[in-house]
Amino acid sequence: GENVEQHPSTLSVQEGDSAVIKCTYSDSASNYFPWYKQELGKGPQLIIDIRSNVGEKKDQRIAVTLNKTAKHFSLHITETQPEDSAVYFCAASNQKVTFGTGTKLQVIP
Amino acid sequence: GAGVSQSPRYKVAKRGQDVALRCDPISGHVSLFWYQQALGQGPEFLTYFQNEAQLDKSGLPSDRFFAERPEGSVSTLKIQRTQQEDSAVYLCASSFTGGNYGYTFGSGTRLTVV
Repeated sequence: GENVEQHPSTLSVQEGDSAVIKCTYSDSASNYFPWYKQELGKGPQLIIDIRSNVGEKKDQRIAVTLNKTAKHFSLHITETQPEDSAVYFCAASNQKVTFGTGTKLQVIP
Repeated sequence: GAGVSQSPRYKVAKRGQDVALRCDPISGHVSLFWYQQALGQGPEFLTYFQNEAQLDKSGLPSDRFFAERPEGSVSTLKIQRTQQEDSAVYLCASSFTGGNYGYTFGSGTRLTVV
């Protein structure tokens, strides 16, 4: 089955700096890569996704990149704000979504 | 409703007790998924329904776990003879179509087995 690895497990940045989270996946059949943000006591919330026919996608301060050859994908958050503090999960899907282990992002005001 | 609703939010069960966790998906969503999330970990797939059909139950950890969605809407995850290792947050998600579109998750049920 699919195996998704994610790093770093924790990340602290100063407000206004950028944050980068990197993931790798194992199943070359995976073709959909969503990213979720999870706040304490809540379920994961989809923030952005990318499909295998696209190399990059941007939505305001959030961008994702995908390298299908290397099976790498990344999340970039620019101009971080304290409300970006949460746990972020990458995931890979071929009909069934497999999650990474999460990155706890802390944005320091 | 506007989102995925799960109940109860918290459940404490004595070891050996049976529990039932409920999920109300977004109206009209065909696909429904159950995930188990241990503390500090990512969600782990349990099972998947398309309408009332359970298409994949490969993630259910043992035959003590059973899920149903008899009318293609509300789903129930049942755990029989609970054990301490069952303690986790159980998340339900729904999607308009299949797995390759964004899920909407509920807030989960936190199960603690004592």
